Amino acid sequence: QVTLRESGPALVKPTQTLTLTCTFSGFSLSTTGMFVSWIRQPPGKALEWLTFIDWSNGEYYSTSLKTRLTISKDTSKNQVVLTMTNMDPVDTATYYCARMTGYYSLDYWGQGTLVTVSS
Amino acid sequence: QSALTQPPSASGSPEQSVTISCTGTSSDVGGYKYVSWYQQHPGKAPKLMIYEVSKRPSGVPDRFSGSKSGNTASLTVSGLQAEDEADYYCSSYAGSNFYVFGTGTKVTVL
Repeated sequence: QVTLRESGPALVKPTQTLTLTCTFSGFSLSTTGMFVSWIRQPPGKALEWLTFIDWSNGEYYSTSLKTRLTISKDTSKNQVVLTMTNMDPVDTATYYCARMTGYYSLDYWGQGTLVTVSS
Repeated sequence: QSALTQPPSASGSPEQSVTISCTGTSSDVGGYKYVSWYQQHPGKAPKLMIYEVSKRPSGVPDRFSGSKSGNTASLTVSGLQAEDEADYYCSSYAGSNFYVFGTGTKVTVL
């Protein structure tokens, strides 16, 4: 049974760095063709892809946000960590992690975590 | 990287069909077979409904079907049911830009 769960702060101040952790089970990120991705959704708005990391530690970032994002993995802990620097109120959103397969589809999602950026 | 273009809304009566379009470019939708569709109910995480343009994951009803022509992909929901009322998003592998979602379509069952 594949599950993913996001954890991290619900509130961050402008200019701070956000760190979110995705803890997963039911699969291994060292398996060829496996990825974990981060996606966000501002309240009432569309999904936005942020980044994914693959089984070989390849890192892939949204062009518009790449200077602010870092993704990393700890295979032994079954965790993927997202950091986003210089947070702004427009970054207020629900942040999801999801498993991605070699077909570039996100087949399992976490429940999401709402992050509010406010002073 | 621009989002894929979807109509903001679509609707149909129960048992009717509704089709949602997803328009990109030759650098994303038109260039690869990796188009997916997601269903999202209010307050819930998205759910994968279609992958690789037209394949259904296990457990997804065959009322949901996908296709692609050129730079436009489509999702058709046949035999609409009340539980199909949700937001739908397409996505595509985008080569050097890696990945992109659509703007989303709200489907209403009349």
